Amino acid sequence: DVQMTQFPSTLSASVGDRVTITCRASQSISTWLAWYQHKPGKAPKLLIYRASSLESGVPSRFSGSGSGTEFTLTISSLQPDDFATYYCQQYNSYSGTFGQGTKVDIK
Amino acid sequence: QLQLQESGPGLVKPSETLSLTCTVSGGSISSRSYFWGWIRQPPGKGLEWIGNIHYSGTPYYTPSLESRVTISIDTSKNQFSLKLYSVTAADTAVYYCASPVRGVRGWFFDLWGRGTLVTVSS
Repeated sequence: DVQMTQFPSTLSASVGDRVTITCRASQSISTWLAWYQHKPGKAPKLLIYRASSLESGVPSRFSGSGSGTEFTLTISSLQPDDFATYYCQQYNSYSGTFGQGTKVDIK
Repeated sequence: QLQLQESGPGLVKPSETLSLTCTVSGGSISSRSYFWGWIRQPPGKGLEWIGNIHYSGTPYYTPSLESRVTISIDTSKNQFSLKLYSVTAADTAVYYCASPVRGVRGWFFDLWGRGTLVTVSS
C-alpha cells in the first residue's frame, strides 16, 4: 500500500496567517491526491481533488499543489472557520490511503 | 442537495455482525452513475476505506477486509448498507458513509455523512 505521511501533525496559527500542510507519498501517485477538512461532529468536506482542483463552493483561499510524492495544501489567509483537521488521501491505487491528519488550532 | 446519514447500533458484541445503513436524501441513489461507499476511523487512528458499491450492485472491497464485509444497495429505499462479520475490538471506529468519485484506480469522496461510532464490546 502507498503510505501517506502528513506534517505537521498539529499546527498553531492565528487568523490571517498563511498556513501550509505537507503530504508525502511513499511512491509516486502522479496528481491523484485529495484534501479534506474535518470538524468534530461534522461530515468531512472535500476541498481539493487531483492535487490542485478546487471543489465547487470551496473558498479560493484554499489551494493545492504538487505531483509525484510531495504535495501541499495552503490556506492563504486563515479564517475562524478554518480551524479543523485536514487530511490528504491518495487515490492512485485501488485502496486509496489517507494521511494521519493535521490539526490546525488557535495560537 | 444530496445528504447522507448513517444509522445502526452503537454497540456490537465481539464475534457478532456490525450492520449499518446509509440513507441518501435530496436525490435518487440511482439517478446517475453514483458509487456509494464506507470509510472508518478507529479512535486515535487514521481513516480507512472499507469498500464501495456501484448503484448497479457491483461491490469493491479493500483487500484487508474483503473476507468479512458485504456492502449492498436498496434502490427502492434510497439506502445502502454495510455488514462486517465476526467483529473484534479492533473494529471499534467511527463509520462514515460517503459518495466516491472514481479516479484512475481508486476513489476520492466528494460527499460524506457525519459518521456514527460503533463500539465492539461485550
